[in-house]
Amino acid sequence: TQLLEQSPQFLSIQEGENLTVYCNSSSVFSSLQWYRQEPGEGPVLLVTVVTGGEVKKLKRLTFQFGDARKDSSLHITAAQPGDTGLYLCAGALGGNQGGKLIFGQGTELSVKP
Amino acid sequence: DAGITQSPRHKVTETGTPVTLRCHQTENHRYMYWYRQDPGHGLRLIHYSYGVKDTDKGEVSDGYSVSRSKTEDFLLTLESATSSQTSVYFCATKLRDRDLYEQYFGPGTRLTVT
Repeated sequence: TQLLEQSPQFLSIQEGENLTVYCNSSSVFSSLQWYRQEPGEGPVLLVTVVTGGEVKKLKRLTFQFGDARKDSSLHITAAQPGDTGLYLCAGALGGNQGGKLIFGQGTELSVKP
Repeated sequence: DAGITQSPRHKVTETGTPVTLRCHQTENHRYMYWYRQDPGHGLRLIHYSYGVKDTDKGEVSDGYSVSRSKTEDFLLTLESATSSQTSVYFCATKLRDRDLYEQYFGPGTRLTVT
C-alpha cells in the first residue's frame, strides 16, 4: 500500500505566525495536489505541482515539490484566521489508470486572532 | 466548479438496512469517484468509474457497490449498512483525460448507522 504521511496532524497557532505542513512518501508521484477543506464542505483544490523542485506561490501560501517528487511542503506566511481549515495533500502515481489519488491524513489548522 | 451535487446530505439509518447515495454532475466529466472521510485517515477511495458502466474498486471497497448508468450519475450502495460505515462520503470528478489528476469534490453526505 502506498502511503502519504502528512504532518503535523493538528496545528494551533496565533495570527501572524508562520507554519509549514509536510507530506512525505517513499513513492514517486507524477503530480501532487494540495486541497483545503472547510467544515461541512468538500475539499477545494489549491494547487498542483508537477516538476521536481517546483515552487508555486498563492498569495501567502508557498508550495514546494521535492526534487525526487516523493515529498511536498506547504508554507503559510503570517497566518490569518481565514486560513483555518483542513489541509490535504494528494499524490498521483505515474501511469495509474483511472486518475486515482493517494491522500495524506490531513492537517487541521486553527489560527486564533 | 464541476457542478457536483450529492444527495442526501445527511442520513441516519439502522444497521442492516440498504442505503444508496447519489452523486450528480453537470459537466460531462468522464471520471467519477467515491471516497469516505474519517478522522485521522484523510480521504480513502471506495470505488471509481472511468465511463458509463465502467467501474473499479478502490482501497476500501468491501461492503460497497456502485453503478453508473449515465454519465452524470454515480450511485454508491451499502447493501447492508454497518456501524463501521458511519462516515462522511464525498463524490469527486476528474476534469478530463490528462495527467494532472486534479479532482473536484461535491459537498459530502454525512451518514450515521445506528
